[in-house]
Amino acid sequence: GAVVSQHPSRVICKSGTSVKIECRSLDFQATTMFWYRQFPKQSLMLMATSNEGSKATYEQGVEKDKFLINHASLTLSTLTVTSAHPEDSSFYICSASSDVNYGYTFGSGTRLTVV
Amino acid sequence: DQQVKQNSPSLSVQEGRISILNCDYTNSMFDYFLWYKKYPAEGPTFLISISSIKDKNEDGRFTVFLNKSAKHLSLHIVPSQPGDSAVYFCAASLMNRDDKIIFGKGTRLHILP
Repeated sequence: GAVVSQHPSRVICKSGTSVKIECRSLDFQATTMFWYRQFPKQSLMLMATSNEGSKATYEQGVEKDKFLINHASLTLSTLTVTSAHPEDSSFYICSASSDVNYGYTFGSGTRLTVV
Repeated sequence: DQQVKQNSPSLSVQEGRISILNCDYTNSMFDYFLWYKKYPAEGPTFLISISSIKDKNEDGRFTVFLNKSAKHLSLHIVPSQPGDSAVYFCAASLMNRDDKIIFGKGTRLHILP
């Protein structure tokens, strides 16, 4: 149980376009979803925390107008990278939890390349 | 199907003793394994890694052991300190083909005074 599906796994887009990444909890209700970006040396940076039905809470330094997060249902959160630039190229990963005291399930990540 | 499994959701260890966190994987093609540590409200931070060509990697108090035949790896923390209380995630990847990282569900470690 507790499966999180993240799509697409890889995407290449042109500079200036927008890209949407989906994160779905397949067999549980994810009251909280987290979006991360992977930087060199394998650390994952928390970008934002989203709770179903409310606005996402962004970490300091993350542009909310550039990284739009929507958590419209208990099973789906989306991250839209708007007006993508080559420096946005990275590995983005989501995780979901029904109760953060009991654990998180990660999606398999999305490799975004902006050309 | 879970490719990376951490079967213990939580673990309590006395301060000063050894903490052993376990991880099993199903895909024998994985060639790189990582451990991450996560504090509340923060993103996971990289702790230690091991390539499939090795069976042990040590960094200070942290040692990761890899048993390829058993598809099992473990993280040893000795001596355990209060600041080690966190959630630990095991992850695996196919570095030569796809840098996608597959995470386990995590083990919450409590260091007891």
